[in-house]
Amino acid sequence: DSGVTQTPKHLITATGQRVTLRCSPRSGDLSVYWYQQSLDQGLQFLIQYYNGEERAKGNILERFSAQQFPDLHSELNLSSLELGDSALYFCASSVTPGGGLEETQYFGPGTRLLVL
Amino acid sequence: AQKITQTQPGMFVQEKEAVTLDCTYDTSDPSYGLFWYKQPSSGEMIFLIYQGSYDQQNATEGRYSLNFQKARKSANLVISASQLGDSAMYFCAMRGRLSSGSARQLTFGSGTQLTVLP
Repeated sequence: DSGVTQTPKHLITATGQRVTLRCSPRSGDLSVYWYQQSLDQGLQFLIQYYNGEERAKGNILERFSAQQFPDLHSELNLSSLELGDSALYFCASSVTPGGGLEETQYFGPGTRLLVL
Repeated sequence: AQKITQTQPGMFVQEKEAVTLDCTYDTSDPSYGLFWYKQPSSGEMIFLIYQGSYDQQNATEGRYSLNFQKARKSANLVISASQLGDSAMYFCAMRGRLSSGSARQLTFGSGTQLTVLP
């Protein structure tokens, strides 16, 4: 158990809908990262938050957005869903935003999204 | 830019034997770190081992060791005494540090599916 929690574990929805994925980082971690894992794209970095502020953006679609709240939990919002958005979405956390190269990101169990 | 290449989509190993999972990387960053993660069929990503580009010795963590060859830009994972529970997908990843000092995000390879045979 990494200490990172994600809800829900599974999500089935229809095209055009909007969903919210939730992540609670490990105790003491200030930085949250979101990743998408799909069969065709592999594991891709989406976005990073540190202590409530956006720190870095990766291959995140404009239909997707995220935020980190004062209690440090984070939410990833996916809107106007398409079939291709079906994937495993991971949240990871670390103490600081990559200040040290050796700093490990600890991953949550993921949310498996299926868009029908 | 950073790139990680894992050329073995699948590997088989007999229980109790050692296995090497290949990882090569490409980066122009002056310093970088290399990570290996394990993803069992349940889906979670489990951190295994880390190697820094300036580390003098190869990293080891229990049955995991990293065969780091900087000149060849390779960071192969060696699992000794394989166990059935080692069957999983294994990902190599890297994070570089720019000359400006800022760190990049993790870049992952495509993974290697390891199957341990009884």
